[in-house]
Amino acid sequence: DAGVTQSPTHLIKTRGQQVTLRCSPKSGHDTVSWYQQALGQGPQFIFQYYEEEERQRGNFPDRFSGHQFPNYSSELNVNALLLGDSALYLCASSLVIQGARGYTFGSGTRLTVV
Amino acid sequence: GIQVEQSPPDLILQEGANSTLRCNFSDSVNNLQWFHQNPWGQLINLFYIPSGTKQNGRLSATTVATERYSLLYISSSQTTDSGVYFCAVGGNNDMRFGAGTRLTVKP
Repeated sequence: DAGVTQSPTHLIKTRGQQVTLRCSPKSGHDTVSWYQQALGQGPQFIFQYYEEEERQRGNFPDRFSGHQFPNYSSELNVNALLLGDSALYLCASSLVIQGARGYTFGSGTRLTVV
Repeated sequence: GIQVEQSPPDLILQEGANSTLRCNFSDSVNNLQWFHQNPWGQLINLFYIPSGTKQNGRLSATTVATERYSLLYISSSQTTDSGVYFCAVGGNNDMRFGAGTRLTVKP
């Protein structure tokens, strides 16, 4: 059973460009969350998608947007890249079982903005 | 928002030693999880433990929800235990992570 798959694994972009990151959730999971992890820090919640809708959003600007497809896979788009957007972007899929949400994380996409 | 503080920030152990990692949080939560981030960046879920005690091999965790803290115990540490340990708390839709404890186990 495949876990969470993220692509690409590494990416280098120039300031001002746009980027799209992709995530395939674990089989059976219906919810996808995205996190940004700067070097030396804990992950920060960007947003969560469920039933193709953004259900909750963290404290990130509108330059960060996302999408969830009918097969539950998801994309994270970042426009007008800034140097400060350089980070590891983690996708987590999840499912609520008996009231508890269990998360499975992917290995992440390391984005470098130059 | 909820504040999550983890201590110590760094921990260096000799192989075979035991350790205790602590997570304090500022508000009541219905979701608390411990994760291990390996050197390749992947977060591995260790425990879902909003309250009570759980054990899995050499690892165990205890959360005292009324006092807003959780402890992760690692016994007989191995070099493969090295990495960053994160506590994450929240509701069912978003998780707030602490800054982590970086554990180094030396042979």
